[in-house]
Amino acid sequence: DTAVSQTPKYLVTQMGNDKSIKCEQNLGHDTMYWYKQDSKKFLKIMFSYNNKELIINETVPNRFSPKSPDKAHLNLHINSLELGDSAVYFCASSQERRLGYTFGSGTRLTVV
Amino acid sequence: DAKTTQPNSMESNEEEPVHLPCNHSTISGTDYIHWYRQLPSQGPEYVIHGLTSNVNNRMASLAIAEDRKSSTLILHRATLRDAAVYYCILSDPNSGYALNFGKGTSLLVTP
Repeated sequence: DTAVSQTPKYLVTQMGNDKSIKCEQNLGHDTMYWYKQDSKKFLKIMFSYNNKELIINETVPNRFSPKSPDKAHLNLHINSLELGDSAVYFCASSQERRLGYTFGSGTRLTVV
Repeated sequence: DAKTTQPNSMESNEEEPVHLPCNHSTISGTDYIHWYRQLPSQGPEYVIHGLTSNVNNRMASLAIAEDRKSSTLILHRATLRDAAVYYCILSDPNSGYALNFGKGTSLLVTP
């Protein structure tokens, strides 16, 4: 299936740990994104990469570091996890930024 | 950033048309109008987008006012599976066409 896939789907971890979420798209898109949806259901863009180059970097703690090894992958690494990092993280991709995005199904991160 | 205003919630009967309004009075000439929806426990799903002209696709129609200060997403025949939060979003080249989601409209479809 052509899609945006994220792993893991669920992630429960303790405060202070470091974790990564992986994202892969096989749609041939050249731009990928990370979004965070908090408990109030607001979706906020965190990062965007175009052909492995960072083009959007919103006000996000520097504990969050995106890494794009190639244009089909955009991983999110989070250091020193905090309780407030608990949220659903969505990866997305688009062919041209002005056109429609395809979102993954999300990774629910719970920090305890 | 140009902002959008949508009703918090709407209700529709199954198999009836639904018109979801969106106001964007500060829209600029280069802003695209996007609609996405999010079903419970799923990622957002692209519905439709447009710039100036009305648009139709297999999911919905987008009616854009002549002055572009408002738009309406039309679901021609609502089904129970259309129950979701619908987001009207503007994207502009100055922000790299980033999609900034607002609160959206929660659509309830009743049998």
